[in-house]
Amino acid sequence: AQTVTQSQPEMSVQEAETVTLSCTYDTSENNYYLFWYKQPPSRQMILVIRQEAYKQQNATENRFSVNFQKAAKSFSLKISDSQLGDTAMYFCAFSISGTYKYIFGTGTRLKVLA
Amino acid sequence: DGGITQSPKYLFRKEGQNVTLSCEQNLNHDAMYWYRQDPGQGLRLIYYSQIVNDFQKGDIAEGYSVSREKKESFPLTVTSAQKNPTAFYLCASSPDRGRAGANVLTFGAGSRLTVL
Repeated sequence: AQTVTQSQPEMSVQEAETVTLSCTYDTSENNYYLFWYKQPPSRQMILVIRQEAYKQQNATENRFSVNFQKAAKSFSLKISDSQLGDTAMYFCAFSISGTYKYIFGTGTRLKVLA
Repeated sequence: DGGITQSPKYLFRKEGQNVTLSCEQNLNHDAMYWYRQDPGQGLRLIYYSQIVNDFQKGDIAEGYSVSREKKESFPLTVTSAQKNPTAFYLCASSPDRGRAGANVLTFGAGSRLTVL
């Protein structure tokens, strides 16, 4: 069975600092996608970043980047120059290519401190 | 602006009542989904639909029902058979597999259901 594990229920970071959220997953599939979604206090889920498993290059979106280690089944999110607006719940998710099923982790609550 | 509209945002239900949560999208997405979110848990799939007039059960479909009569709409009914319905419900959509952006879920703002 596919699983996604986020081992850090809560984290905090000072404004302008860098923080890394960890995520590990388990699958026997070869073609899949990995995602980080952000859920701010408004509770609307927003896509932060997406990684295709067949791509070796780590995805980057402005201040957000991932460290994708396929062999280790690890997919961590790095947030640089943290801003107060980054305060949110972050969910790691996984989807097998060509399917409609997504597996979500239990989330990491990130608080950015002024 | 394209997006997903969920209504109502807050809903209260008495035990034994059925309630329907609305989900409408204007993104021209083929697939739509309903997820349930409980504290300390990830999102769990209730139902999904790849195409009009077709839908599939997810991991926790018992006590729920859906319909997909139009591409834009995917309402969820929480029936009295659902033993613990108090939760936050999220509707999502995605393009069909093979299209640009496939596998990326777009979410609505959610509906909070409380059973009194």
